[in-house]
Amino acid sequence: QKEVEQNSGPLSVPEGAIASLNCTYSDRGSQSFFWYRQYSGKSPELIMFIYSNGDKEDGRFTAQLNKASQYVSLLIRDSQPSDSATYLCAVRPLTGANNLFFGTGTRLTVIP
Amino acid sequence: NAGVTQTPKFQVLKTGQSMTLQCAQDMNHNSMYWYRQDPGMGLRLIYYSASEGTTDKGEVPNGYNVSRLNKREFSLRLESAAPSQTSVYFCASSDMGPQHFGDGTRLSIL
Repeated sequence: QKEVEQNSGPLSVPEGAIASLNCTYSDRGSQSFFWYRQYSGKSPELIMFIYSNGDKEDGRFTAQLNKASQYVSLLIRDSQPSDSATYLCAVRPLTGANNLFFGTGTRLTVIP
Repeated sequence: NAGVTQTPKFQVLKTGQSMTLQCAQDMNHNSMYWYRQDPGMGLRLIYYSASEGTTDKGEVPNGYNVSRLNKREFSLRLESAAPSQTSVYFCASSDMGPQHFGDGTRLSIL
């Protein structure tokens, strides 16, 4: 079982719709959760982080964390073509210094 | 503010050649990391340095060596390049928060 699992997609949504990206993790003691966006040929860019159960909103982005069910999700409201990218979920386990475990990413395409 | 700087951005090597990938960060972070990214495989940790003077193996260390030269710099060396090491290499740094990535080095081994 992988430490962090994501649906590889591709996920296609029409412009203006809500895109929902999901991630599950295996280490129940994990404390910190991050979402990165990676455009093709570019490096990962941090867009959200969440440490506590519940929702965290930043502009059009909302991160949701449910530690009991061991999943974290990212909602993108009013999706734009510029949101088309691969989204990486990363989890910091309880042990292991500051290391992160990354999922393989979900490729999102927003259709104009 | 440069963040994490990697050099070179592109490199083509022949099998058996050696080279060093350079990484420097100006965010005063204690921890630094080297990843490789291959299609469908996600980011895989090669080596990391939790603090100046320490290095540890990650998930895929075979064929690589690292040096934490000082707090700012963390280099990755391929002693004898193999075609299986063709990949995109990312350096990252962090403290207790998120990791910040450099722009990557695209390395091809022929």
